Amino acid sequence: AQSVTQLDSHVSVSEGTPVLLRCNYSSSYSPSLFWYVQHPNKGLQLLLKYTSAATLVKGINGFEAEFKKSETSFHLTKPSAHMSDAAEYFCVVSDHPLSGTYKYIFGTGTRLKVLA
Amino acid sequence: DAMVIQNPRYQVTQFGKPVTLSCSQTLNHNVMYWYQQKSSQAPKLLFHYYDKDFNNEADTPDNFQSRRPNTSFCFLDIRSPGLGDAAMYLCATSSGTSGGYEQYFGPGTRLTVT
Repeated sequence: AQSVTQLDSHVSVSEGTPVLLRCNYSSSYSPSLFWYVQHPNKGLQLLLKYTSAATLVKGINGFEAEFKKSETSFHLTKPSAHMSDAAEYFCVVSDHPLSGTYKYIFGTGTRLKVLA
Repeated sequence: DAMVIQNPRYQVTQFGKPVTLSCSQTLNHNVMYWYQQKSSQAPKLLFHYYDKDFNNEADTPDNFQSRRPNTSFCFLDIRSPGLGDAAMYLCATSSGTSGGYEQYFGPGTRLTVT
């Protein structure tokens, strides 16, 4: 069974300071992991993905995440926050294709607030 | 360049009046999904198709139905909308066979029930 836990429901940072959004996962297989961003009243946009290649994954808009199997974590980071980063962020895990299902399990989301 | 298209973007319906939401894709993906997302919550999977193979989530109300007449299109029918069905409805696709296995999301349809 798969599960994902986003450890913070809200994170506030000042513009120009680092961002850390935390995600822990559980999976019976070697998982695929994703971070999506959602701006108000918009669909979800893929920031980055891990699919068993390099453990440090770089995404769009300066975001990156590191897959740590020993810690079952996939935390999202950015060195310097921008006002436009204010949004909801979802960590997502999938066992597909190894599990034979096509489901993606969403975390509960982290709302990032960027202070001027 | 649009890949997952949802129509309409905003839909207002009356309590109990059937409504259909539409999703189309230009990615030729095998898998299509419908999610319901309420304010400040994660998307909740309603059902998904692998080709024409329909998979319903156990807790999806019977009031919600879906059709996938071909690879490109998928519809969400709400037979008798209640006030609790007001939400953002998101359509998504995934390859199902190759690539990075990520989902591609449409912009969503905001449903209001009056």
